[in-house]
Amino acid sequence: AQSVTQLDSQVPVFEEAPVELRCNYSSSVSVYLFWYVQYPNQGLQLLLKYLSGSTLVKGINGFEAEFNKSQTSFHLRKPSVHISDTAEYFCAVSANDMRFGAGTRLTVKP
Amino acid sequence: DAGITQSPRYKITETGRQVTLMCHQTWSHSYMFWYRQDLGHGLRLIYYSAAADITDKGEVPDGYVVSRSKTENFPLTLESATRSQTSVYFCASRGSSGTYEQYFGPGTRLTVT
Repeated sequence: AQSVTQLDSQVPVFEEAPVELRCNYSSSVSVYLFWYVQYPNQGLQLLLKYLSGSTLVKGINGFEAEFNKSQTSFHLRKPSVHISDTAEYFCAVSANDMRFGAGTRLTVKP
Repeated sequence: DAGITQSPRYKITETGRQVTLMCHQTWSHSYMFWYRQDLGHGLRLIYYSAAADITDKGEVPDGYVVSRSKTENFPLTLESATRSQTSVYFCASRGSSGTYEQYFGPGTRLTVT
């Protein structure tokens, strides 16, 4: 079975600063990789996904992630964050079913 | 409206009672899933279904029962609720081919007193 580790439970950052949310995974088979965002009292919304091809994936709201097979990582980045990016972010890996990391709470301060 | 809906959105029940959480999707997706979300654990899969009348256990199935008589509905039943089942429950669905991307409902916050 696959598993996901999000290396930071909380990431505080100032507005307009860059941010990286780290995600490592393990799997014995090829997987698809996802980042989801959850705003307060809402369900999860897909930010971006890696299926195959280019290892740099661009998503919504200016986020991007890079798939690194040798390091089994899929880190999420944004060059300049906004207050509205404050949310919980989940990395997920999917073979047949989907496994989620424990989440990273991103807090953007003014 | 198209999409995936859950009801109720909030529920308070007592220990030992039976409670059913409903999930309905309008996309005719083959797969449906139930997750629970707890602080520090992210989302954990309770049960999933690959098609009508086909269900399978996930990571944390104990204390839960599911059924899927129709493609669009996937109810989750707690037969005898316990305080440890206090959580936020999310339903999700996806198609049978393609990217494995799942679409999530808004969640049900369940409190067991």
